[in-house]
Amino acid sequence: GAGVSQSPRYKVAKRGQDVALRCDPISGHVSLFWYQQALGQGPEFLTYFQNEAQLDKSGLPSDRFFAERPEGSVSTLKIQRTQQEDSAVYLCASSLLAGTYNEQFFGPGTRLTVL
Amino acid sequence: SQQGEEDPQALSIQEGENATMNCSYKTSINNLQWYRQNSGRGLVHLILIRSNEREKHSGRLRVTLDTSKKSSSLLITASRAADTASYFCATRLDLGYSGGGADGLTFGKGTHLIIQP
Repeated sequence: GAGVSQSPRYKVAKRGQDVALRCDPISGHVSLFWYQQALGQGPEFLTYFQNEAQLDKSGLPSDRFFAERPEGSVSTLKIQRTQQEDSAVYLCASSLLAGTYNEQFFGPGTRLTVL
Repeated sequence: SQQGEEDPQALSIQEGENATMNCSYKTSINNLQWYRQNSGRGLVHLILIRSNEREKHSGRLRVTLDTSKKSSSLLITASRAADTASYFCATRLDLGYSGGGADGLTFGKGTHLIIQP
């Protein structure tokens, strides 16, 4: 069965470039989350969607980070004018329902390296 | 910022032994979850324990939760080489109303577990 997929798996960007990271959640999953994981650290929450609505973007580190999920399925995380500190693995997760006790299923991540 | 902190940071044991990892957190939680991460399978959910529960079992896994001490432990019994991975505790912060938990999970820094064959 298809899990959460992310593309690209690896992205190298020059400082100042814009990047777009894609997440395909499990079909039918209502909730979608983005996390950022720096080397040697645990994931840190960035933003949350319920269907197409972005209900929480409290974790986005700056206004250079923007996420969307226009049709309530695929989501894109965009980072403008990338900086070296943006280098990390970006993880996407989805869960079937909204609600506190629903298991989140994670994708393999996109490893972003900013030179 | 990360609210959970796992202890130890790294653990190496022989296959067949039990492995215990601890997690401490700072603020009130709705639930606490344990995840495993390795290069082969990414981040995988292991078990969830609610704030009103004290112990939970799943196969070779046993999780305890002590909300008065703001701590949790994960015990893996009869360890196998395939258990080699990083283990993270993740909390869902309590929003102060019944059933209310923060949208995202707050992860700790993880315990890196190595099982020696």
